[in-house]
This record gives sequence, structure tokens and C-alpha cells, in this order.
Amino acid sequence: QVQLQESGPGLAKPSETLSLTCTVSGGSISTYYWSWIRQPPGKGLEWIGYVFYSGSTYYNPSLKSRVTISVDTSKNQFSLKLTSVTAADTAVYYCAVIKDGYNSVDQWGQGTLVTVSS
Amino acid sequence: DIHMTQSPSSLSASVGDRVTITCRASQSISTYLSWYQQKPGKAPKLLIYAASSLLSGVPSRFSGSTSGIEFTLTISSLQAEDFASYFCQQSYTIPYTFGQGTKLDIK
Repeated sequence: QVQLQESGPGLAKPSETLSLTCTVSGGSISTYYWSWIRQPPGKGLEWIGYVFYSGSTYYNPSLKSRVTISVDTSKNQFSLKLTSVTAADTAVYYCAVIKDGYNSVDQWGQGTLVTVSS
Repeated sequence: DIHMTQSPSSLSASVGDRVTITCRASQSISTYLSWYQQKPGKAPKLLIYAASSLLSGVPSRFSGSTSGIEFTLTISSLQAEDFASYFCQQSYTIPYTFGQGTKLDIK
């Protein structure tokens, strides 16, 4: 089965852009839906959005104006950009994959903590 | 957005106990409901999808059921490794939304 690994800076400054990449191994990115989900420390989970390998995207409306999720099939990677970040965007960010027809999140990366602070 | 109300928010139980966690959706979601287990410092793991389908490899003491917009996760006989947090998630309508979680700890 595929494995997912997040990478990117663990610190972002307020008003700047948070950028993360997820590398997919053990399988091709050219299928399934590739997702980003976040979890503020000690809190619940928030679905950010997902991208299909074709580039089609679906975003949480609450974040849509600030989010871009893209896919690079040549590198077997997909990425998250979140603009104009504030302290409220501090969270563990997970990349994940949706495989089945019921849209369950089948597999998750280990997660990476991004702290927004000056 | 579809709101998922999960209860209880915390639960203390003993090894061998039968426990039940409930999620209520704010509207119909058919059976687009999943349950996840999360241990401290770890990513969530999928346990049940389509409301009642057990993921391969998940112990049979876990089960899911549904009655309309109410969904239940049952652990028939708690084991030590089951003490964790549990989340439900609806995937019927974007944005997919999660319950606030249930923290299950040892009594």
C-alpha cells in the first residue's frame, strides 16, 4: 500500500504563505484523491481539500480563498499552499488519500506541525 | 456544512468493557460515515467505512451501525490498545466534516 510523507517548514510568519509537500511512495499518484487535513493542537480535525491526479480540486469553502492544492505526477507528489496565515492556522497538517467510493480517508501521513508565529 | 455531533466527548472504561460512541449528523448522509482511531502523537487510522464496513485487519470487536442520521461505534470488549481518541467523519457532502472526538481512557 502507498505511504505518504509530509515535508516543509515547521514555522511560518503571520501573513505569509504556508507551503507543504506530500511525497507518495509505494504506488502511483495517478489515481485516487489526495487530501490535506489539519488538526490544531488538542483539537479536532478539519478537512482542507483534495486534488485528483488530473488536477481537479475540491476545497473547504471556509478556506477556499486562501488554499491551493496541486499535484505533480512526475514527482509523485502533491502540495498545499495556504496564504495569509494567522495563529489560527497553527496545526498538525496531514496528507492523506481517499481510495474508496465512500470517500473514507484510507491512509494518512504521519503529520507535520506548522506553527504560525513571528 | 453538515455538522457531526459526537458523544460523549470523553469516556472512562475498563479492559473488557463494552463501549459505545455515537455521532449524529445534522442531515441525512446515507451511509457516508467513517470512524477513525487516533493515539497521542499519531495520525488517525481508519477503522470503519460506509457506516458499518470493517476495514481489513481491524479487530472484529469493533463494529459500526446506523439508524437514520445516528451512527454508533461499538467496541465489544475493550483491550488495552483501544484506549485512544475516536472520530467520526461524514463524506457525503463537501466539505467533509468530523465529529469533535471522543477520548477513551482507562478507568
